Amino acid sequence: AQSVTQLDSHVSVSEGTPVLLRCNYSSSYSPSLFWYVQHPNKGLQLLLKYTSAATLVKGINGFEAEFKKSETSFHLTKPSAHMSDAAEYFCVVIQGGKLIFGQGTELSVKP
Amino acid sequence: EAQVTQNPRYLITVTGKKLTVTCSQNMNHEYMSWYRQDPGLGLRQIYYSMNVEVTDKGDVPEGYKVSRKEKRNFPLILESPSPNQTSLYFCASSLGPPIAGRGTYEQYFGPGTRLTVT
Repeated sequence: AQSVTQLDSHVSVSEGTPVLLRCNYSSSYSPSLFWYVQHPNKGLQLLLKYTSAATLVKGINGFEAEFKKSETSFHLTKPSAHMSDAAEYFCVVIQGGKLIFGQGTELSVKP
Repeated sequence: EAQVTQNPRYLITVTGKKLTVTCSQNMNHEYMSWYRQDPGLGLRQIYYSMNVEVTDKGDVPEGYKVSRKEKRNFPLILESPSPNQTSLYFCASSLGPPIAGRGTYEQYFGPGTRLTVT
């Protein structure tokens, strides 16, 4: 069975500093992985996806993620945080024709 | 505008009083699904529908019903709500089911319905 584990339930950064949200996956074959963002009182929005093509995936709003098979990781990064990045982020894997969500990471951005 | 809409957005009800949360999409999507979101658990799938009149259970279907009489609508029904169904609910739709690989379809999520059962 495929699963994802988000290693931090909450991350706090200062505006202008780098963001790192960590996700490890468990999979018996090459997975399809996603990062979604949920802003307060809003639905989920797709940030980026990995589907067995390039291992470095660029998404919207300056986010990117690198698929590392040797480390079974798919960490989300951004070089410089903005106040508008404050939200909850979910790492997601496909298994059995459905999305399996991680527990979520709450990102806070301090001025 | 392409979107998934849900109604109501907020609902407070009492144990045992039947309720329906509506979901509608205007993208002609075949696949629709319902999730509940609980703190520390992420989102878990309740039910999904591959097409009109085709529905199936997800991971947490107990206490819920769905129907898919039209392609655009996928209501979630709680026949006898209980306090453990207090949660944030999301409807989602896509052209097809999530399948691993390059052709996987993007899921579009509604804004959510926050349900409190007392």
